Amino acid sequence: TQLLEQSPQFLSIQEGENLTVYCNSSSVFSSLQWYRQEPGEGPVLLVTVVTGGEVKKLKRLTFQFGDARKDSSLHITAAQPGDTGLYLCAELKSGSARQLTFGSGTQLTVLP
Amino acid sequence: DAGVIQSPRHEVTEMGQEVTLRCKPISGHNSLFWYRQTMMRGLELLIYFNNNVPIDDSGMPEDRFSAKMPNASFSTLKIQPSEPRDSAVYFCASSFADTEAFFGQGTRLTVV
Repeated sequence: TQLLEQSPQFLSIQEGENLTVYCNSSSVFSSLQWYRQEPGEGPVLLVTVVTGGEVKKLKRLTFQFGDARKDSSLHITAAQPGDTGLYLCAELKSGSARQLTFGSGTQLTVLP
Repeated sequence: DAGVIQSPRHEVTEMGQEVTLRCKPISGHNSLFWYRQTMMRGLELLIYFNNNVPIDDSGMPEDRFSAKMPNASFSTLKIQPSEPRDSAVYFCASSFADTEAFFGQGTRLTVV
């Protein structure tokens, strides 16, 4: 069974600071997704990465997929209070029906 | 589209009672997933359906849990009898083919 470990588990920073959170696997990912979950809501997809070494940017968020496809990182530049939430990585398995295996998440709090 | 609709949003019940959670997926989506989220175990897949057929229910905790999808626009997750350890947020999600999974707002279940 694929184990997805996310670090740090909790992160509290001031507005304007930069941060990086990580997602690591015990084996190679098929493809990886990052989600953000706000209180009282379900997770919302941010990005999907498929190719080793791939980098994707979404405004102030930069997602990187490791060359060996066993790890990924999410970097946020100049964090804002609106970035507060639970950031989840998930493996997207290929096959006739898709399913997701989620990591434990990083709870980010950005203080004004 | 209104997105994935779950009901009720909150449920408080006494131990031993039957609980039924409901989900209406996004129209046109052919895969439906039930997840459970707790602080201790994170987001866990319970069961998923493809074209209304249960494909994998290996995540269902025990026989007290059952799920049905009588048609493409409705699914239920039933717990009978409920126990305090079933307290969690239950999410339903739907997707079409290999595209993005959309989550509902969840049902927060408290069993006292």
